[in-house]
Amino acid sequence: GAGVSQSPSNKVTEKGKDVELRCDPISGHTALYWYRQSLGQGLEFLIYFQGNSAPDKSGLPSDRFSAERTGGSVSTLTIQRTQQEDSAVYLCASSLGGGGVYEQYFGPGTRLTVT
Amino acid sequence: AQTVTQSQPEMSVQEAETVTLSCTYDTSESNYYLFWYKQPPSRQMILVIRQEAYKQQNATENRFSVNFQKAAKSFSLKISDSQLGDTAMYFCAFMKHQTGANNLFFGTGTRLTVIP
Repeated sequence: GAGVSQSPSNKVTEKGKDVELRCDPISGHTALYWYRQSLGQGLEFLIYFQGNSAPDKSGLPSDRFSAERTGGSVSTLTIQRTQQEDSAVYLCASSLGGGGVYEQYFGPGTRLTVT
Repeated sequence: AQTVTQSQPEMSVQEAETVTLSCTYDTSESNYYLFWYKQPPSRQMILVIRQEAYKQQNATENRFSVNFQKAAKSFSLKISDSQLGDTAMYFCAFMKHQTGANNLFFGTGTRLTVIP
């Protein structure tokens, strides 16, 4: 079956514009994670969705960042009024459930460049 | 808070040789999971190996094995018989053993180059 897909693969935007990044998880996976990978850094957790539960937004760096997951499947990460420090690779992962027993499968990421 | 430290930004190894990547972590949790992920130039993170903290036996997956030292909070990855396809960034990661959000905490990575 298909893995996790993300679109666009690359996005260049001007400072101050809004962007939307999309994640299609593996079918049947109830857990979905967004991470950010800045240059030379490890991945930083942003937000977690599990089934119909309220998302865990504890990793979002500011109120310019938001995410939603429609119908328990596709997720969109929105960054409003982008800043240069938002430039990074945004990775999405999904798993069958929450917890370490379930492997997180990662997408190829979206490279965001804010000019 | 959980922190994961990888002190080797870059390493290289000759093809067919063995290399060990280091990782230390800091946590007050007693039960947790540890992982090594591989990230090739395609950017897609691939799980290499997983260790459950309550298991004393070191995990192995073919050419990949770990040396898990819980008291020292150390979790190194050994790659035997290195292959050109092993060239990638390697990330050590930690996850709490809990219900709810189980996000991964990552180190900053080690760039491994396998030399022909």
